[in-house]
Amino acid sequence: EVQLVESGGDLVQPGGSLKLSCAASGFTFSSFWMTWVRQTPGKGLEWVANIKEDGTDKYYVDSAKGRFTISRDNAKNSLYLQMNSLRAEDTAVYHCARGVGIDIWGPGTMVTVSS
Amino acid sequence: DVVMTQSPLSLPVTLGQPASISCRSSQSLVYRDGNTYLSWYRQRPGQSPRRLIYKVSNRDSGVPDRFSGSGSGTDFTLKISRVEADDVGIYYCMQGSHRPPWTFGQGTKVEIK
Repeated sequence: EVQLVESGGDLVQPGGSLKLSCAASGFTFSSFWMTWVRQTPGKGLEWVANIKEDGTDKYYVDSAKGRFTISRDNAKNSLYLQMNSLRAEDTAVYHCARGVGIDIWGPGTMVTVSS
Repeated sequence: DVVMTQSPLSLPVTLGQPASISCRSSQSLVYRDGNTYLSWYRQRPGQSPRRLIYKVSNRDSGVPDRFSGSGSGTDFTLKISRVEADDVGIYYCMQGSHRPPWTFGQGTKVEIK
């Protein structure tokens, strides 16, 4: 069964950092682009970043550029999102998802940025 | 960025009756390879989104044929031929033709009358 499970969400103060992880199973992780999508009650779904199969290409939403870094470890079937200089507006559930077609989603991990 | 606009935002439906959701994009979604990267997702309460349709009209594995997608250019539609209780949730369209960024519609909440 294809499965994605995120972890690392937490309550963090504005300006702080957090690293999210996503463990993938049930498919050949190294053969797929991987994506992070966040969800808030107010803004709905927002694509955040994605990364090519071998990690050589990465794309970010404008609000994440310079603050977030997407990475992967194909040997560990894992995807990561390092988030720095966090702002209140980064508060969301962060979903890991498979592919640029975003066909499989994880349940998400909650990130709350608040003092 | 391509703006995706869904309508209606709320859709009360009667069991067994058809339902239709519209999704319009601010630019044509025909990609340079000739494909149109428009997908539909359903998010049931308390669950993560599930993709139902990709490239306008292709159903994902396990999706009932009650669900169909159509459209071209900037105008797309998701139809449910006969609504069942399990169909409640929020439906989103997403474009991947003009990327980055990939962009989503605001969502349409489908509920049973």
